[in-house]
Amino acid sequence: DVKVTQSSRYLVKRTGEKVFLECVQDMDHENMFWYRQDPGLGLRLIYFSYDVKMKEKGDIPEGYSVSREKKERFSLILESASTNQTSMYLCASSPQQGNQPQHFGDGTRLSIL
Amino acid sequence: QKEVEQDPGPLSVPEGAIVSLNCTYSNSAFQYFMWYRQYSRKGPELLMYTYSSGNKEDGRFTAQVDKSSKYISLFIRDSQPSDSATYLCAMSGPYGNKLVFGAGTILRVKS
Repeated sequence: DVKVTQSSRYLVKRTGEKVFLECVQDMDHENMFWYRQDPGLGLRLIYFSYDVKMKEKGDIPEGYSVSREKKERFSLILESASTNQTSMYLCASSPQQGNQPQHFGDGTRLSIL
Repeated sequence: QKEVEQDPGPLSVPEGAIVSLNCTYSNSAFQYFMWYRQYSRKGPELLMYTYSSGNKEDGRFTAQVDKSSKYISLFIRDSQPSDSATYLCAMSGPYGNKLVFGAGTILRVKS
C-alpha cells in the first residue's frame, strides 16, 4: 500500500510566521501535490511537482512556495502566515505513468492565530 | 460555474438502503474518473477509478460514467453505518495528472 505521511496532524501558528509543512511518500512516485481543503470549496491545488527540484503552480499558489530536494519529500512553505491560510492541508502522490490516481496523506489541520 | 458540481448534502439514509451519489461536469476532455471516501479527520482514500464511459463494480460499490451527459455516479448497496463519510468525485483529462474535485457529499447512514 502507498504510504503518504504528513509530519503534523495539527499545527497552530501566529500571523507573520514562516510555516513549513512536510510530506513524505514511500512508493517512489514522481508526482507530488499540495492541496488545501475548505468547507464548500473542496480540494484546491496549491502546487505540484513532477520531479526532483521541479515545481508548477496550481490554482491558488499565492502566499505559498514549495521545495522538492528529494524524490520522496515535498515541502509546502507559508512565507508569512495569514489568518486566511487557516485550513486543512493535504499532500498526495502518484506515479508518472498514465493517468494514475493520487494517494493522499491524512492532512495537517493548520490554524493561524 | 464550477467545472465539477457535486451536491454537498448531507444525505441521510437508513442502514441497508441503496445510496446514489452524483457529480456533473462541464469539460468534455475529462476521461478518468475517481471516487474518494474521506472519514472525519482523515485524508481521502481511493474507492473507485474508471476510464471513459461505462460501469465498474467492486463489492458493494458501483461506479457509473455517462460521458454523453457529463454525469458520473457512485452507488452503494446495503449501506452500513461505517459508510458514513464524505464522498469526493474527481476527474482528469488525457494529458497529465492534475485532478479536478467536486466539493464532496456528506453521507450519513443511520442504524
